[in-house]
Formats: sequence, C-alpha cells, structure tokens
Amino acid sequence: QKEVEQNSGPLSVPEGAIASLNCTYSDRVSQSFFWYRQYSGKSPELIMSIYSNGDKEDGRFTAQLNKASQYVSLLIRDSQPSDSATYLCAVKDVYGGFKTIFGAGTRLFVKA
Amino acid sequence: EADIYQTPRYLVIGTGKKITLECSQTMGHDKMYWYQQDPGMELHLIHYSYGVNSTEKGDLSSESTVSRIRTEHFPLTLESARPSHTSQYLCASSDSTGASGRAGTDTQYFGPGTRLTVL
Repeated sequence: QKEVEQNSGPLSVPEGAIASLNCTYSDRVSQSFFWYRQYSGKSPELIMSIYSNGDKEDGRFTAQLNKASQYVSLLIRDSQPSDSATYLCAVKDVYGGFKTIFGAGTRLFVKA
Repeated sequence: EADIYQTPRYLVIGTGKKITLECSQTMGHDKMYWYQQDPGMELHLIHYSYGVNSTEKGDLSSESTVSRIRTEHFPLTLESARPSHTSQYLCASSDSTGASGRAGTDTQYFGPGTRLTVL
C-alpha cells in the first residue's frame, strides 16, 4: 500500500467551479502536510502547508486536514484555466527518517 | 522566493559518458534532495542529504552517486550514462532546523530541473 494516495484523475471542472482534490496517508503520526502544484514541464511549487486539524485558507485555496481519518484535501474556489496542472500531496513521514513522501498527483483540467 | 539553481538545464549526451548535474542553494537549508521524474509521471526520490557529509539513497534504485561537501552544493554524478537514464532530474532543498531564518517546516523548494537525454 502506497503511503500517500491520490486519485490520478484527470479531474475536469468548468471555469468558476470548485475543484476538490483529496489525499489519504497511512502514517498516523505524520505531522506536516503540503500541497504542491506542478505545471507540465515545470518543477513543483508549494501552494499550501497545513499542520493542524481543520481548515487553512489562502486566497482561493483552502487546505483541510483530518488526522483522525488520515486525509488532507485541497479546495480551489472559482477555478481558472490557469489552475490546470498536476497537484501533488506530500506528507512528512516521521518514522521514515523524516522524509517527505509525495503522492503521484492529481491532474486537474479547468475548462473555459 | 526560493533560491535553488540547477545546471545545465538541458543536456544531450552519448552513451557511456560521465556527467555531473549541479545543484546549488543559497538559503542555508540543511536538507537537499534529488528526484527523477519522467513526463506525466510521479516523482521518485533517488538521493537525499541531511547535511554536510551525509547522503542516503532514496526509494528508487539509481546508478548515480551524490556528494555533500558544502551545505549549499549537492551534485549528482552518472559515471556511465545510458539511454535508460533519460529523464528530468529535479533538485530540492528544505530547512528542518529553522536556521535559515524561517520556521523549520521542511517545506521543499525545487530547482528548475535538468532534462537529460542520453542517445
């Protein structure tokens, strides 16, 4: 079983809609969670990090963390075509030598 | 703004050649990483370092080697390039200690990548 699981997609949403991206992880003691965006042919760039249960908002992006259920999600409100990218969930693995484990990513397409 | 650099950005080389991919960061980060990523595919960790003179192999078996003699520099070397090494190589760094002035969140910052083609 992979330690960080994401639906590979593609997830297709119309412009202006809410895009919801989900991620589950297996390490119950993970403490740090990250969402990265990667455009085709480019390097990943950090969108948000979250460390506590609940919601964290930054502009059109909201990260949600539920440690009891071991999932973290990213909501993108008012989706724009420029949001079309692959979104990587990453979890800091405490028992694995504190490495950050990346999911395989979810491809998002926002249709104009 | 992350200050992490990779050279060269693109490299086309013949089979059997020795190559070194350079990665440097000016943020004082203690940890550095090398990932391999094929187009449209997931990231694979091939090497990482927790600090000077500390290097570890990652999850993906690799024929490359790395060194960490200085905090800011983490080169990756292929002794004999093969077509199977054709891929995108991404370097990243993170601060787990807070020494760089930011909280030690271990957020990884990526370089622009080196696209390697071995003929």
